[in-house]
Amino acid sequence: NAGVMQNPRHLVRRRGQEARLRCSPMKGHSHVYWYRQLPEEGLKFMVYLQKENIIDESGMPKERFSAEFPKEGPSILRIQQVVRGDSAAYFCASSPSYLQRPNTEAFFGQGTRLTVV
Amino acid sequence: GQQLNQSPQSMFIQEGEDVSMNCTSSSIFNTWLWYKQDPGEGPVLLIALYKAGELTSNGRLTAQFGITRKDSFLNISASIPSDVGIYFCAGTGGGNKLTFGTGTQLKVEL
Repeated sequence: NAGVMQNPRHLVRRRGQEARLRCSPMKGHSHVYWYRQLPEEGLKFMVYLQKENIIDESGMPKERFSAEFPKEGPSILRIQQVVRGDSAAYFCASSPSYLQRPNTEAFFGQGTRLTVV
Repeated sequence: GQQLNQSPQSMFIQEGEDVSMNCTSSSIFNTWLWYKQDPGEGPVLLIALYKAGELTSNGRLTAQFGITRKDSFLNISASIPSDVGIYFCAGTGGGNKLTFGTGTQLKVEL
C-alpha cells in the first residue's frame, strides 16, 4: 500500500506564473489536507477536502490559492500568479476517516518544495 | 485560532541520555499526536493519544495526554544518533484538522 504521493518534489516558478501541486492520497483514504511549512517553522493548515468537496478552507489565502479533490484523480493545490512569499514546502496528508475518531491518523507525503524566483 | 507552544525549541544532548519535550495549548484538544520530521521529508507519526490521561509507549518513546487536555509530553529514552530531527506535537480541537506546534529540534552528540 503506497503512502501519500506528492509531485513534483521540487518546483521552481518565476513570479507571476502558476504552480500546480498534486497529491494522491493513500488507497482507501477520502480525506485530504494541505499544509504549508516555511523554513524553521511548523506546519500551518491550509485546507481540508473530501471527494469533490471543500470542507474547511480557513487557512487558505483569500486570493490566488485554490484546491480541489475531484471524484477521479489526485487532489490539486493551485497557486496563481506566484510571488516570492509563496516559496515554502507544501505538504499533503490523508486519512481514512475523521481525525477525532480513535485510531484514525493522518499520513503525510514527502512534500513539494516550491521556489519562486 | 488555536495555538500550540512547544518547548524546548532545540536540544543538544549526548547519546544515551533521556529527552523530554512538551507541548501546551491555550484551549482544549481532543487528540494529541507526536510527529518526527527529517530534513527534506514529511512528518512521520510516532505516537497518537486519544484520551485525557492516556500514557502510550512506542519502543523508546513515551507520550502522555495531559489530564487537563491542554498539554502533552514526549519522552525519548536512551537517545541514539538517528533520533536527530525535528519533533512536532499536533492536536485536533474543534474541526477535523491538525494544529501543529512550533517544533523541537533534537541534536545528538556522539
